[in-house]
Amino acid sequence: QVQLVESGGGVVQPGGSLRLSCAASGFTLSSYVMHWVRQAPGKGLEWVAFIRYDGSNKYYADSVKGRFTISRDNSKNTLYLQMNSLRAEDTAVYYCATSVVTNTGAYFQHWGQGTLVTVSS
Amino acid sequence: DIQMTQSPSTLSASVGDRVTITCRASQSISSWLAWYQQKPGKAPKLLIYKASSLESGVPSRFSGSGSGTEFTLTISSLQPDDFATYYCQQYNSYPLTFGGGTKVDIK
Repeated sequence: QVQLVESGGGVVQPGGSLRLSCAASGFTLSSYVMHWVRQAPGKGLEWVAFIRYDGSNKYYADSVKGRFTISRDNSKNTLYLQMNSLRAEDTAVYYCATSVVTNTGAYFQHWGQGTLVTVSS
Repeated sequence: DIQMTQSPSTLSASVGDRVTITCRASQSISSWLAWYQQKPGKAPKLLIYKASSLESGVPSRFSGSGSGTEFTLTISSLQPDDFATYYCQQYNSYPLTFGGGTKVDIK
């Protein structure tokens, strides 16, 4: 069955960097447009970024644009999120998710269990 | 950006109750709306897509309706496993946006 496992979260100081990984199993990663979605503690869901099947196109939320980079290695069945210049407001559980793509957008079909990123001095 | 507003933010109900949650979009999103269920410490789970299509494996007591700017999620007979937080999400355009959530708790 489809399984997504995130890793790489932890505590980092403001201004620091972290790279998250999302290992996919039970399916071929290259068959899906992939997304990162985050959830601050006790708050709602916020879409962060997506990357198309072959990595040819990427799109970011304004809140992370210029600081975060989404990438993928289909040969390793792994999705990444490089996070630089981290701020306190980036503190959240980060989920990777597969999506069903329409001609307007996408909804999220399978989710990982999430990895917690805490930005604090 | 399209703003999604859910109401109520909290709903207290009993097992067997019929429950309705509303989601409003700041502009028309046709039927490009999904609903998710999230339990504490867990990832969200897809329930409904395209406003009214039930995801495979989701119990038929869940249903969705609406189009344009107003949508509803209905649970026909609330079960113990349904106490959770529910989110709507629009996929009419990027950035993809979610409603603030509706927590369904035990009366």
